[in-house]
Amino acid sequence: QKEVEQNSGPLSVPEGAIASLNCTYSDRGSQSFFWYRQYSGKSPELIMSIYSNGDKEDGRFTAQLNKASQYVSLLIRDSQPSDSATYLCAVTPGGFQKLVFGTGTRLLVSP
Amino acid sequence: DTAVSQTPKYLVTQMGNDKSIKCEQNLGHDTMYWYKQDSKKFLKIMFSYNNKELIINETVPNRFSPKSPDKAHLNLHINSLELGDSAVYFCASSPTGTSGYEQYFGPGTRLTVT
Repeated sequence: QKEVEQNSGPLSVPEGAIASLNCTYSDRGSQSFFWYRQYSGKSPELIMSIYSNGDKEDGRFTAQLNKASQYVSLLIRDSQPSDSATYLCAVTPGGFQKLVFGTGTRLLVSP
Repeated sequence: DTAVSQTPKYLVTQMGNDKSIKCEQNLGHDTMYWYKQDSKKFLKIMFSYNNKELIINETVPNRFSPKSPDKAHLNLHINSLELGDSAVYFCASSPTGTSGYEQYFGPGTRLTVT
């Protein structure tokens, strides 16, 4: 079982729709959870961090965390073509000072 | 005002050569990292340094040797390069403390071994 699992996609949504990206993780001791966006040929860019159960909103982005289900999600409201990228879920396992990444979900937003 | 910078951006070299990649951050962070992103885009940690001390070494071949002369710099030296070392190498940094280790990445170095 992979430590952090994501559907590779591509996830295709029309402009203006809500994109829902999901991630599960295996280490119950994981403490910190992040979403990174990576455009082709660029470096990962931190867009959301979440540390406790529930929802966290920042602009068009909402991160959701359910530690009991070991599940993290990212909602992007009013999706724009500029949101087309690979979204990487990352987890800090058991207090270790490192990130374990999923393989990423490719999002395509069509005009 | 670049936060995390790496040099070079591209590196093309032949098998068996030795090469170095340099990283610098001006964010005042205590911890720096090297990650490798392979051809399938999987991003995996290699090393982590906190205040010049190695704290994570993720079973990387000992041909890879990181060095941190101070907490703002982390270099990666690779000996006897192999075809499988071709990848994009990212440097990252994070503050230490209760921030949850939010990490900020450099632009990457694309290494091609021929």
